[in-house]
Amino acid sequence: LAKTTQPISMDSYEGQEVNITCSHNNIATNDYITWYQQFPSQGPRFIIQGYKTKVTNEVASLFIPADRKSSTLSLPRVSLSDTAVYYCLVRITGGFKTIFGAGTRLFVKA
Amino acid sequence: GAVVSQHPSRVICKSGTSVKIECRSLDFQATTMFWYRQFPKQSLMLMATSNEGSKATYEQGVEKDKFLINHASLTLSTLTVTSAHPEDSSFYICSARVMAKDTEAFFGQGTRLTVV
Repeated sequence: LAKTTQPISMDSYEGQEVNITCSHNNIATNDYITWYQQFPSQGPRFIIQGYKTKVTNEVASLFIPADRKSSTLSLPRVSLSDTAVYYCLVRITGGFKTIFGAGTRLFVKA
Repeated sequence: GAVVSQHPSRVICKSGTSVKIECRSLDFQATTMFWYRQFPKQSLMLMATSNEGSKATYEQGVEKDKFLINHASLTLSTLTVTSAHPEDSSFYICSARVMAKDTEAFFGQGTRLTVV
């Protein structure tokens, strides 16, 4: 399973765009990149998943460069309620195990 | 998205007793479910993979006799913490994937276990 590296924490202000980058240098051909969000005392919640280039949904965008050795989760116009831990994971297609890295603690200030 | 429900959401038990935590996939079938534990300010640690109709697969360092896992149906997996001690106090989370579909994992809301 590919190891991921993320910043331990980030600070932002309401209304700003937040970009969290994750490194996964040994990502394999069949690996997908998935991001989860976790609030205190809750289970992780799926945010977005991608394989290459750019993926966008109603809550975030995921940018993946051509070499796929990193990815960037982009949260547009964050609010206080976006304060949470964000996890970047890499898993193989059809693979079942989901191994979590350390995650990034995002603090959104008023 | 698919819903995974855990019960109870929090439990307090005495040292030496056993506690059972249930994980249910409410609107889908899951041949495989996963159990994690999470200590304060730390990431989720995978404990075991629960397979319907067969024995669970435990991660290195996790005592299978301490953490009993049963996956008796396609929608239910249980984790029993046997002879609980205060150091077993933690946040336990389960997850599941939709059977035969290559989708993301869906997580339960977690169970806060406190052993006194």
